[in-house]
Amino acid sequence: QSVLTQPPSVSGAPGQRVTISCTGSSSNIGAHYDVHWYRQLPRTAPKLLIYDNNNRPSGVPDRFSGSKSGTSASLAITGLQAEDEADYYCQSYDLSGVYVFGTGTKVTVL
Amino acid sequence: VQLVESGGGLVKPGQSLRLSCTASGFTFGDFPMSWFRQAPGKGLEWVGFIRSKAYGETTEYAASVKGRFTISRDDSKSIAYLQMNSLETEDTAVYYCTRAIRSGDSPYYFDFWGQGTLVTVSS
Repeated sequence: QSVLTQPPSVSGAPGQRVTISCTGSSSNIGAHYDVHWYRQLPRTAPKLLIYDNNNRPSGVPDRFSGSKSGTSASLAITGLQAEDEADYYCQSYDLSGVYVFGTGTKVTVL
Repeated sequence: VQLVESGGGLVKPGQSLRLSCTASGFTFGDFPMSWFRQAPGKGLEWVGFIRSKAYGETTEYAASVKGRFTISRDDSKSIAYLQMNSLETEDTAVYYCTRAIRSGDSPYYFDFWGQGTLVTVSS
């Protein structure tokens, strides 16, 4: 039922940079709705990571950054650390009146 | 900010269940609240939303639960509820409540999440 498409998995060595894409359509991201990102550590609740495309809540390190262009958005993690192993979800809003999520991406630190 | 869900459990198809979300650490009545769910091994799904009293406590629902689920709130107790009727096996999931927040008049995002409560629908 996910409306936004993410790669199932990405991986990188400690210290490397990884990016996660989030592809939507003209009825959500392309309709100029903001994109937000959440991180879900194993067996825990999701946590807000990025809001309004590129803003970090207090306490989120600046290793995490977001961007948005057209019908897509992306999350970048620099200086990858073991504790970054988690599932990452993008979220936006759709013209149909529904809050929509991405399919989720599992980040693995090699 | 803390959100604590309760009320999950095992029910049979067709039965009802009411989840509660007890909030603390912020002025509950000032914020909309939302419910999400995550089926085992699956991604996140928005369930529904209730605005604050200032916006009439109006509600919105996902198509998959509209007509079966009802969200309400008791600001005097800082609790949001999710009443689930006519439950189906497909409703099996961990249910999360969240606080909703937004910039200006934009749609909301969800800045604090509870730990979740498991609902299992099985005969």
